[in-house]
Amino acid sequence: NAGVTQTPKFRVLKTGQSMTLLCAQDMNHEYMYWYRQDPGMGLRLIHYSVGEGTTAKGEVPDGYNVSRLKKQNFLLGLESAAPSQTSVYFCASTPSGSGANVLTFGAGSRLTVL
Amino acid sequence: KQEVTQIPAALSVPEGENLVLNCSFTDSAIYNLQWFRQDPGKGLTSLLLIQSSQREQTSGRLNASLDKSSGRSTLYIAASQPGDSATYLCAGDSNYQLIWGAGTKLIIKP
Repeated sequence: NAGVTQTPKFRVLKTGQSMTLLCAQDMNHEYMYWYRQDPGMGLRLIHYSVGEGTTAKGEVPDGYNVSRLKKQNFLLGLESAAPSQTSVYFCASTPSGSGANVLTFGAGSRLTVL
Repeated sequence: KQEVTQIPAALSVPEGENLVLNCSFTDSAIYNLQWFRQDPGKGLTSLLLIQSSQREQTSGRLNASLDKSSGRSTLYIAASQPGDSATYLCAGDSNYQLIWGAGTKLIIKP
């Protein structure tokens, strides 16, 4: 099925470890986003990309890095994981940056940092 | 800073009832508004998108409206079914950013 695929779905890390979350979309969308979702809060934008080779900071970028080397892939990295980064991470994509475009989401990646 | 409030935070109703979920923005300058559904452990699925030139959208038993003068949106669900049980989130496009509500957790009792 066409859409957004996130890997891994679950991961447990120890404080200080590093990891990368992969997001892949096959809809030829230009814009891709990484959000985190915490209990009782709305989704918060971590980083986003407006096209291959570009990235930009969102609302809560500290402690994360991203790369968009290929149009279909958007990677989210944690260099030194902290318990505050325990969350569910969602990747999304849209054809363009217009708010009139429907966001397509992945199924999420649940990360626990001990 | 633009903020979004969704009321109620949780709602439990018997099957068959009509219900309304609310979404309010502190700044009424909203251009487009989307409603999403999220099932437990799953991603978000777009339900309805109200574009800047529109005031409401309908899909099946769902109707969403946007009052730009007040910065409020409502999602109306007619003849609710147990399969409608999920968390419903609204997101508004304001100043080129998408601002999210925390969601309303809806339970439809058979």
